[in-house]
Amino acid sequence: NAGVTQTPKFQVLKTGQSMTLQCAQDMNHEYMSWYRQDPGMGLRLIHYSVGAGITDQGEVPNGYNVSRSTTEDFPLRLLSAAPSQTSVYFCASSPLREGPYNEQFFGPGTRLTVL
Amino acid sequence: AQTVTQSQPEMSVQEAETVTLSCTYDTSESDYYLFWYKQPPSRQMILVIRQEAYKQQNATENRFSVNFQKAAKSFSLKISDSQLGDAAMYFCAYRSEYNNNDMRFGAGTRLTVKP
Repeated sequence: NAGVTQTPKFQVLKTGQSMTLQCAQDMNHEYMSWYRQDPGMGLRLIHYSVGAGITDQGEVPNGYNVSRSTTEDFPLRLLSAAPSQTSVYFCASSPLREGPYNEQFFGPGTRLTVL
Repeated sequence: AQTVTQSQPEMSVQEAETVTLSCTYDTSESDYYLFWYKQPPSRQMILVIRQEAYKQQNATENRFSVNFQKAAKSFSLKISDSQLGDAAMYFCAYRSEYNNNDMRFGAGTRLTVKP
């Protein structure tokens, strides 16, 4: 199993550009989520999904869109990039069967810089 | 909203010694779950240990153990016989029983292991 994969690993954007961060998992997990990691702030939840066709907002959703058309994929879209979105982005997945005790499996992260 | 505080931005330990990383959290809930994640320089987040709040017995995983003090809202991580491979950022995280889609992370503690 590849686990959770993310592409690209690094990305530089100009202010106002849009892009999609890709996330895929091959563990058949129902739950997938996106976090951003900023220095001194830990990880903060952006959006999450509990299954195909179901998404919801997390703590910091503004400026980001998500969709979940398949169990495997959960892309994160930046609509109009801003310097405040410079961060490291992590995708994670977990099965729902154990509820909140679940271990989340994380991808390797995408480092995004917005100039 | 629940908050997680890690008051030690950096810690250092000699190889083979024991180190304790602190974590406190703020919640009014009685049922929740606590986690410690490790993030090595590769950026891959890895689950170290987890604890269910209704269990009084402290969780242990090989050289890693926790000291869970529910009344004090404290969840410290003890690493025994420290190894060079333990060097990483360590994040404490909280997950509610009632809103388990939202995991809250502390700001992290960077652990250095000296040979």
